[in-house]
Amino acid sequence: QQQVKQSPQSLIVQKGGISIINCAYENTAFDYFPWYQQFPGKGPALLIAIRPDVSEKKEGRFTISFNKSAKQFSLHIMDSQPGDSATYFCAASRAGANNLFFGTGTRLTVIP
Amino acid sequence: KAGVTQTPRYLIKTRGQQVTLSCSPISGHRSVSWYQQTPGQGLQFLFEYFSETQRNKGNFPGRFSGRQFSNSRSEMNVSTLELGDSALYLCASSRLAFSTDTQYFGPGTRLTVL
Repeated sequence: QQQVKQSPQSLIVQKGGISIINCAYENTAFDYFPWYQQFPGKGPALLIAIRPDVSEKKEGRFTISFNKSAKQFSLHIMDSQPGDSATYFCAASRAGANNLFFGTGTRLTVIP
Repeated sequence: KAGVTQTPRYLIKTRGQQVTLSCSPISGHRSVSWYQQTPGQGLQFLFEYFSETQRNKGNFPGRFSGRQFSNSRSEMNVSTLELGDSALYLCASSRLAFSTDTQYFGPGTRLTVL
């Protein structure tokens, strides 16, 4: 079964708006939660990551919010730009293991 | 520093054949993981190698196998190809094998099975 659930499947945002993508997980053994960005014809690239001992992490226009008790985390993209149009994947991995469990992806389109 | 390279980039095979895909990790990286990406199942972990040893294996049939060489380069093999094996196969490398090590993905090999 899907270990990490992601929503929405697709998202259309106006330039300058905020894009929000949500993920939920069940396995409490997960201890690392990265977000990946993928452009067509390319492999996924790490955008930002968080560990469960922190509730929020910000890097530039990208912020991860993490709610350990709800087992949810989300990606916020502030001031969204057309260049942000891509597919975004949340993921999770367990301590001591390097295999990532990915969400199903969100196709983001930022309209100029 | 050169990124993760995968060869070939595109491959067309017929059912029943076998295929070998190659991955060269970033210099100095010792962990290589393989993932399968399809529209229906998304990104799924196949296996991970570290120092020539398989550390983890995903839920795939035994037709999928891999290996890692002493220079950290890795190959994966799929035998007796099925139509459902058509996918983008991604290789990712990381310096070590801890969960918090950033994994860098290659561009993938697009396999089409006819």
